[in-house]
Amino acid sequence: GAVVSQHPSRVICKSGTSVKIECRSLDFQATTMFWYRQFPKKSLMLMATSNEGSKATYEQGVEKDKFLINHASLTLSTLTVTSAHPEDSSFYICSASSLTGGEQYFGPGTRLTVT
Amino acid sequence: QKEVEQDPGPLSVPEGAIVSLNCTYSNSAFQYFMWYRQYSRKGPELLMYTYSSGNKEDGRFTAQVDKSSKYISLFIRDSQPSDSATYLCAASPAGNNRKLIWGLGTSLAVNP
Repeated sequence: GAVVSQHPSRVICKSGTSVKIECRSLDFQATTMFWYRQFPKKSLMLMATSNEGSKATYEQGVEKDKFLINHASLTLSTLTVTSAHPEDSSFYICSASSLTGGEQYFGPGTRLTVT
Repeated sequence: QKEVEQDPGPLSVPEGAIVSLNCTYSNSAFQYFMWYRQYSRKGPELLMYTYSSGNKEDGRFTAQVDKSSKYISLFIRDSQPSDSATYLCAASPAGNNRKLIWGLGTSLAVNP
């Protein structure tokens, strides 16, 4: 299957700082990337969908000014959590999809802890 | 009513058992159906991907989609302790919007 990497795998930051998470598709061109958030023992919650070269589409209730998404190329998308607070602590996972297939391939996830 | 319903379990079976995991969905527009496996603190891994109705087999895994009853199944033969994970079903409509609608996930434990 296709490989998606995510960096960093784990990050601890102080309240009020910003954190950037990178998502890369390593062996295919991802026309669409998705960002999810997952709480312990809960299912995936879609935060936003981003298509290369265009603005991300955010799900209802997700603050676009807080969770900045950039999809500058067909292999890279970034999620920046701005002015992080302890309630932003969560497991963030990206996925990537190509134009030819509807399936999504997931990165390994990033565990964010805001102190 | 959620668009994709999945019993969260937990499901516990002995090693070697046949496991049956199921989901139902309500949106007739769904055309793509997927099963993912997620280990604790890891990203989901795509197991099976099916378009429309029918069966698909890959090794010990068989996925079934019955669009008439809006029922999705995943069967695991000769289950192994390494199959212990959370299994998530997902569906999406045809077209350019490939946003997946997820089930809650079923927690499976295969006991040696």
